[in-house]
Amino acid sequence: DTAVSQTPKYLVTQMGNDKSIKCEQNLGHDTMYWYKQDSKKFLKIMFSYNNKELIINETVPNRFSPKSPDKAHLNLHINSLELGDSAVYFCASSVDRGADTQYFGPGTRLTVL
Amino acid sequence: RKEVEQDPGPFNVPEGATVAFNCTYSNSASQSFFWYRQDCRKEPKLLMSVYSSGNEDGRFTAQLNRASQYISLLIRDSKLSDSATYLCVVNTFPASGGSYIPTFGRGTSLIVHP
Repeated sequence: DTAVSQTPKYLVTQMGNDKSIKCEQNLGHDTMYWYKQDSKKFLKIMFSYNNKELIINETVPNRFSPKSPDKAHLNLHINSLELGDSAVYFCASSVDRGADTQYFGPGTRLTVL
Repeated sequence: RKEVEQDPGPFNVPEGATVAFNCTYSNSASQSFFWYRQDCRKEPKLLMSVYSSGNEDGRFTAQLNRASQYISLLIRDSKLSDSATYLCVVNTFPASGGSYIPTFGRGTSLIVHP
């Protein structure tokens, strides 16, 4: 009965490859987020969707493309991976787009070689 | 000036000590504030929201000072299990409209030793 789940947990890949990370929440929340936490532990928001609509799109390279097939899922596709993309990617959800508590998934540790 | 700033620490304290962290924010229009806890190699989890009047949850007390633009977290009677990184989060509604944007501080590391 995991609230926010992500797959895979670990991802090791070569530079230039394309990869996807999946996120699902079973909390019935309307809003979902993607964050990147770099090696210095700085957690930065990348995207947010509210009921399948993109509502936050921070300064992220075009190589990153989120997709929300329904409000319970938010996937992240990354094209042409670069060394600097190595980080932990966290998915999160909240009740709605307001200033609510966020519930985080366990994270996906991406290593680009 | 960074949007949300925290002293990274580490704060190294003995069990039973009282320790306090501050977090400053730069946008006076920020609306809501939280403290999250993150254990090593784990996801952040909500510790407590921060209300204007201040609020307490057991050994933890959070305060908001809008005039000086900072929030604080006080931990009394520290336990070994309190060792973690404490992240402050500030939600701001942009002037251009849209949605609240959460901004995390870099976190303050706490180590409680026997």
